[in-house]
Amino acid sequence: QVQLVESGGGVVQPGRPLRLSCAVSGVSFSGYGMHWVRQAPGKGLEWVAVISYDGTNKNYADSVKGRFTISRDTSKNTLYLQMNSLRHEDTAIYYCAKTLIWLGQSRDAFDIRGQGTMVTVSS
Amino acid sequence: QSVLTQPPSASGTPGQRVTISCSGSSSNIESNTVHWYQQVPGSAPKLLIYTNNQRPSGVPDRFSGSKSGTSASLAISGLQSEDEGDYYCSTWDDSLHGVLFGGGTKLTVL
Repeated sequence: QVQLVESGGGVVQPGRPLRLSCAVSGVSFSGYGMHWVRQAPGKGLEWVAVISYDGTNKNYADSVKGRFTISRDTSKNTLYLQMNSLRHEDTAIYYCAKTLIWLGQSRDAFDIRGQGTMVTVSS
Repeated sequence: QSVLTQPPSASGTPGQRVTISCSGSSSNIESNTVHWYQQVPGSAPKLLIYTNNQRPSGVPDRFSGSKSGTSASLAISGLQSEDEGDYYCSTWDDSLHGVLFGGGTKLTVL
């Protein structure tokens, strides 16, 4: 059974950093691209970033480009999102997601399986 | 304002058929496959349809998807009360080099 468990959320002041983690189990992590998706309170879904299965390609939403960094550690079966220079508008539930296709492309469909981790940016 | 346009709301009575549209452009829907997510209140989003018209294991065949040109649609037949929630379309955008989500459609079962 595939499990994605997000962690690392919390309350952080504007301008401060925070790192989110997503522990993956039940699947061969190294063969799948991974995404971060977020949802602000009462709002719709917003895509944040994607990393290819081998970690060589990364793409970001314009709203986070230059501030957030997506990475992965295959030895730990874990996906990360390093968030710097946080803003009030980054307040959201952050979900990690796994692409469906083994050794596929970043544009492939992905499945959101975790419950997310809440990030609140507030002074 | 989302690049992918969905109606903000839709409704139907139990047993009815409802469709939700998703309108995009040549750089996103026309060039890539479309996926749909369902989010029931208080829960994380769930993949409902992928690659235009494929259902993940466990998704009832009451749900179907289609795509034509720069638009896509999600159809739900035999509407049930548990179908209430928010529905989002999604696809890749070749110009933005990233994933787009529609603004979401809130489905109400009357």
